[in-house]
Amino acid sequence: QLQLQESGPRLAKPSETLSLTCTVSGASITSGPYYWGWIRQPPGKGLEWIGNIYYSGETHHSTSLKGRVTISLDTSKNQFSLKLNSVTAADTAVYFCARGIAAAGIPFWGQGTLVTVSS
Amino acid sequence: QSALTQPASVSGSPGQSITISCTGTSSDIGDYTYVSWYQQHPGKAPKLLIYDGSHRPSGVSDRFSGSKSGNTASLTISGLQAEDEADYFCCSSAGSSTFVFGAGTQVTCL
Repeated sequence: QLQLQESGPRLAKPSETLSLTCTVSGASITSGPYYWGWIRQPPGKGLEWIGNIYYSGETHHSTSLKGRVTISLDTSKNQFSLKLNSVTAADTAVYFCARGIAAAGIPFWGQGTLVTVSS
Repeated sequence: QSALTQPASVSGSPGQSITISCTGTSSDIGDYTYVSWYQQHPGKAPKLLIYDGSHRPSGVSDRFSGSKSGNTASLTISGLQAEDEADYFCCSSAGSSTFVFGAGTQVTCL
């Protein structure tokens, strides 16, 4: 059974970089045709797609995040990561990692982790 | 990429059918069949209900159905039950392997 688990600092300071890792068990992150993605949800608000990375290493990001996003694979650890730089309070959210296929939605999600941006 | 438009809330009595709309543009819903729907209970991760506009994953109740017309997708819940009280989100492909979510709809069973 595929499982995803987010990990990383729960607190980030304004203007610094938010870093999260998603550890995948039950499947290899190099197996296609899936993508590995990040979605966030500010407290009390809706879901926001951040970006994804395919097994090939190809990445795609939300244009609304203005190039602040970096998503990468670590095949040796079967993990993928998110870095969001120049954070502000508006980046405070629950961050979910997930696996999906373009035509088949996102059936697998991590439990989510709350990251607060505050000095 | 602007969020897809959903009603903030929809309610119905037990046993009734309700429909949640999700309106986008010709750059997302209108141009792609890759519309999916998710159910989210408080404090939980979203659960996939519908993919590719109208397909249900294995294990999802057939009380949930999806459709699309033009720039609008819809999720219908038939035979509304108390356990269906949750937030529902639509999601569409927006081109170049990017995606956009709706703002979410809170469903209440009266």
